[in-house]
Amino acid sequence: GAVVSQHPSRVICKSGTSVKIECRSLDFQATTMFWYRQFPKQSLMLMATSNEGSKATYEQGVEKDKFLINHASLTLSTLTVTSAHPEDSSFYICSARSPEGDNEQFFGPGTRLTVL
Amino acid sequence: LAKTTQPISMDSYEGQEVNITCSHNNIATNDYITWYQQFPSQGPRFIIQGYKTKVTNEVASLFIPADRKSSTLSLPRVSLSDTAVYYCLVGLNTGGFKTIFGAGTRLFVKA
Repeated sequence: GAVVSQHPSRVICKSGTSVKIECRSLDFQATTMFWYRQFPKQSLMLMATSNEGSKATYEQGVEKDKFLINHASLTLSTLTVTSAHPEDSSFYICSARSPEGDNEQFFGPGTRLTVL
Repeated sequence: LAKTTQPISMDSYEGQEVNITCSHNNIATNDYITWYQQFPSQGPRFIIQGYKTKVTNEVASLFIPADRKSSTLSLPRVSLSDTAVYYCLVGLNTGGFKTIFGAGTRLFVKA
């Protein structure tokens, strides 16, 4: 199946710094990618829908100025956590749908963010 | 988006068949039913998807009754490595349609 990668897989940063997470579709073009956040022992929470060439669509309660999403190409979306604080520590997961076949949704391996 | 209800957790033993049922009473005509598996600190992995009746692949079967208000994921002869969280999702299967995850079912497979 199609592959979605994320980089970095794990990041530790100081409070107040910004962190960028990359999501790439390696063998297909994705006009739409999705960003999720997952806290320990909880389900995935959709944060935003990333649209290539246009602004992201954020879910209710997600601060768009804090979680900056850029989808500059058909294979890359980035999530930047600005001025990170300890409460932003979480597991961030991206996904993309392959336009071929049955539109199966593929998920990245996730990025573990720890803010000290 | 159709809301889904699953058991919070299930226990099983190696070699047994496990059936996880998901309720989705307000499923729409165009909605598909998709199941994902997630291990700790990993992204979800697609297991199976169906629209109606029965779908089978190399890892699981999905049973969907005629009214489509529920679905059952069947895992044949589970092993310890099947211990994971299983999510049932209902929604459209196209393009930018977003996927909303429910609480999922934590399956514990014991030796």
